[in-house]
Amino acid sequence: NAGVTQTPKFRILKIGQSMTLQCTQDMNHNYMYWYRQDPGMGLKLIYYSVGAGITDKGEVPNGYNVSRSTTEDFPLRLELAAPSQTSVYFCASSAQGALYGYTFGSGTRLTVV
Amino acid sequence: GENVEQHPSTLSVQEGDSAVIKCTYSDSASNYFPWYKQELGKGPQLIIDIRSNVGEKKDQRIAVTLNKTAKHFSLHITETQPEDSAVYFCAATSYGKLTFGQGTILTVHP
Repeated sequence: NAGVTQTPKFRILKIGQSMTLQCTQDMNHNYMYWYRQDPGMGLKLIYYSVGAGITDKGEVPNGYNVSRSTTEDFPLRLELAAPSQTSVYFCASSAQGALYGYTFGSGTRLTVV
Repeated sequence: GENVEQHPSTLSVQEGDSAVIKCTYSDSASNYFPWYKQELGKGPQLIIDIRSNVGEKKDQRIAVTLNKTAKHFSLHITETQPEDSAVYFCAATSYGKLTFGQGTILTVHP
């Protein structure tokens, strides 16, 4: 049982480049989330999805986009990367939403130079 | 929206001592309070949670207490071991959104 899988684990981008962070889960969870983690700042919600075809903005959505075409996959797209997007990104899933535990992936460390 | 404050930001204890991490929240409608442990290079992992209709919950060496009147909740780890060293996050759910605290770096010295 793989749980939540994120790829890549590390990536260096140049300013203005674009990339997609991949997230897939094999637990048939409806709810999926993207967080970014900055030192001393906890985890901030970027986007979330309550099911295939449904996405919504979180606390810090600017500069990001998501899609949810299947239950399993929830990719995060960065357009025109900026140094402020240097962070560690975590994808999470939950069977029943924010009133139950989340399963997190192992994260993607992104550096924008 | 919900605001969760977590203290202390760092905590250093000797093996065998107890550790306490405290969180306060702002939204009285919050009704679910999980705690996550994050080891180096890994994603956060749920270790214990408590709901608003319960004042205390215990699981082996860890316990969580909730004071809804004061809007604060705490994580207690007894008989700490070196493998307890990690970053701990509290969180609170309000209106379907989970808000995290800033995290506490716990170091347990052998």
